[in-house]
Amino acid sequence: EIVMTQSPLSLPVSPGEPASISCRSSQSLLHSNGYNYLDWYVQKPGQSPQLLISLASTRASGVPDRFRGSGSGTDFTLEISRVEAEDVGVYYCMQALQPTFGQGTKVEIK
Amino acid sequence: QMHLVQSGPELKQPGSSVKVSCKASGGSFTSYAFSWVRQAPGQGLEWMGGIIPLFGTTQYAQKFQGRVTINADTSTGTAYMELSSLRHDDTAVYYCCRTRSSTWSAMDVWGKGTTVSVSS
Repeated sequence: EIVMTQSPLSLPVSPGEPASISCRSSQSLLHSNGYNYLDWYVQKPGQSPQLLISLASTRASGVPDRFRGSGSGTDFTLEISRVEAEDVGVYYCMQALQPTFGQGTKVEIK
Repeated sequence: QMHLVQSGPELKQPGSSVKVSCKASGGSFTSYAFSWVRQAPGQGLEWMGGIIPLFGTTQYAQKFQGRVTINADTSTGTAYMELSSLRHDDTAVYYCCRTRSSTWSAMDVWGKGTTVSVSS
């Protein structure tokens, strides 16, 4: 099983400040087709999870461009350029080869 | 725009089975794959398995092999997840979600979840 490790697990951020979440996998997520099979999801309070980023860097429809995914192989990062109050929630990375999720990172407003 | 409507909450006894349904509306059911993800109270997300309805192929997480069955009825656009030999720690919200066909990447449409409680 591919193990996904996120850090930090808790991330207090002031509005307008940037935030960054790291995700590491125990095996490379780079497929022979050139894509990294790493997605990012957010679960806002009381809601179902929702897709933010797929294939490491492709924003889902309707996701603001302040969200950016990067990385390759085993190291990935989700960056929020300027955190807004609506961004509060738990962020999960997920490897999509034989899916497993990271532990989740709780983003809260200071 | 596809929507996924899941069946209602379930209360089950240990050792029994539960079957949760997920009906898709507003899109082409066979153009996508469907996954099941669960979330125990206060815990993170856990992928259980998925199905590609066009081919009827399934893939299950190793943890659930032998205990979970996922199938789909293409005539009604409904996916199903059955979990057997229920234990107390199977108490969770079970979500179905749509993913790109033939991969499990990009779970872009989610149901609202079905709460399954296992209690004696």
